[in-house]
Amino acid sequence: AQSVTQLDSHVSVSEGTPVLLRCNYSSSYSPSLFWYVQHPNKGLQLLLKYTSAATLVKGINGFEAEFKKSETSFHLTKPSAHMSDAAEYFCVVTNAGNMLTFGGGTRLMVKP
Amino acid sequence: DVKVTQSSRYLVKRTGEKVFLECVQDMDHENMFWYRQDPGLGLRLIYFSYDVKMKEKGDIPEGYSVSREKKERFSLILESASTNQTSMYLCASSFQAWTGDQPQHFGDGTRLSIL
Repeated sequence: AQSVTQLDSHVSVSEGTPVLLRCNYSSSYSPSLFWYVQHPNKGLQLLLKYTSAATLVKGINGFEAEFKKSETSFHLTKPSAHMSDAAEYFCVVTNAGNMLTFGGGTRLMVKP
Repeated sequence: DVKVTQSSRYLVKRTGEKVFLECVQDMDHENMFWYRQDPGLGLRLIYFSYDVKMKEKGDIPEGYSVSREKKERFSLILESASTNQTSMYLCASSFQAWTGDQPQHFGDGTRLSIL
């Protein structure tokens, strides 16, 4: 069995400050991990994916995430938040059958 | 870029109606999925398909059926719509890789209201 825990349901930052969205996972084997973003009334867009290559993964729009096996974490970061980053973010783990297990989501708010 | 297109962004139907939600992908993906998304419940898998004419139940298949007659198209059917099926419905597709490293690509969703 696998599970994903997003440690914060809401995160609020000021524009231009760093973003940290936290994710912990559990899996009985080496997982593939993804971050998706969902803007209001839109589908989920893939931000980045980890698939057992480099542990630091760069994604779109300046986001990156670091896979830490010892901590079973896959936190999402961005050096400088932009207003357009306000959205809901999902950490996802997948198994060998391509079935996704979603975290509960983190709503990111960006203040001007 | 992968394109997953859902036929309607917003849909309003009446209780008891038969409702069809259509999804088309243009990347020759083997796998296709239907989810519903509700506040506080997250995304839940309704049905998925590994190939044409193949279907598998997800976590919440009751009240739904699916059809996959062509590789690029996956339809979700609400046999007799009820108010508790009011929700955001998301379609997704992916390549089939038993290593599990293929991401799913999502459509923009259909917001369905059953009155």
